[in-house]
Amino acid sequence: SFVLTQPPSVSVAPGQTARITCAGNNIGAKRVHWYQQRPGQAPVLVVYDNSGRRSEIPERFSGSNSGNTAALTISRVEAGDEADYYCQVWDSSSDHVIFGGGTKLTVL
Amino acid sequence: QVQLVESGGGVVQPGRSLRLSCAASGFTFSRNGIHWVRQAPGKGLEWVAVISYDGTKVRYEDSVKGRFTISRDNLKNTLYLQMNSLRTEDTAIYYCAKDWSGSWDYIDYWGQGTLVTVSS
Repeated sequence: SFVLTQPPSVSVAPGQTARITCAGNNIGAKRVHWYQQRPGQAPVLVVYDNSGRRSEIPERFSGSNSGNTAALTISRVEAGDEADYYCQVWDSSSDHVIFGGGTKLTVL
Repeated sequence: QVQLVESGGGVVQPGRSLRLSCAASGFTFSRNGIHWVRQAPGKGLEWVAVISYDGTKVRYEDSVKGRFTISRDNLKNTLYLQMNSLRTEDTAIYYCAKDWSGSWDYIDYWGQGTLVTVSS
């Protein structure tokens, strides 16, 4: 089935930009969604359909998707952004929902 | 507001059964697909199963196929997961999660989860 590969960890200083990648074979042809999971909490949807953002999510969060890599970009990173981030797609071949392995964002 | 409240978790021996429930409110339950997603201790998210808005279509992750059964009661606004032949590797927090669509695409709301521990 379709595999999504994320880096285990990304570190960034406050105020800088974090970019979290999600790699998959021709993932640009799929719609990618991103979830944030703070420690001890349930996941929250932050980006849908590659770059859509819910009204309650800060504009600092944005998404992109092209070729073999999708990305979640967080501008002006804050301490409260420290969390695990997961990408997700629907795989038409298996008709299954697929999650990436997750990336731990550390704010230095 | 959308609320999803899971229940039924606990400690169970390998090979035994457990049924999870998820009570939904704050939206028209019968219009949306609903998922079960689990997270083993210290691990990532793993999709388990999904059921369409009317209960006519279901899908399962390969490792639970034949052991777990997802179902729903649209009159009671409740989702279920019957888990049989439990294994130690099924130990996880189980989240009930609402899909934005009538079948499955992406999750727009999550419950807080219920912990299932499979241990002798």
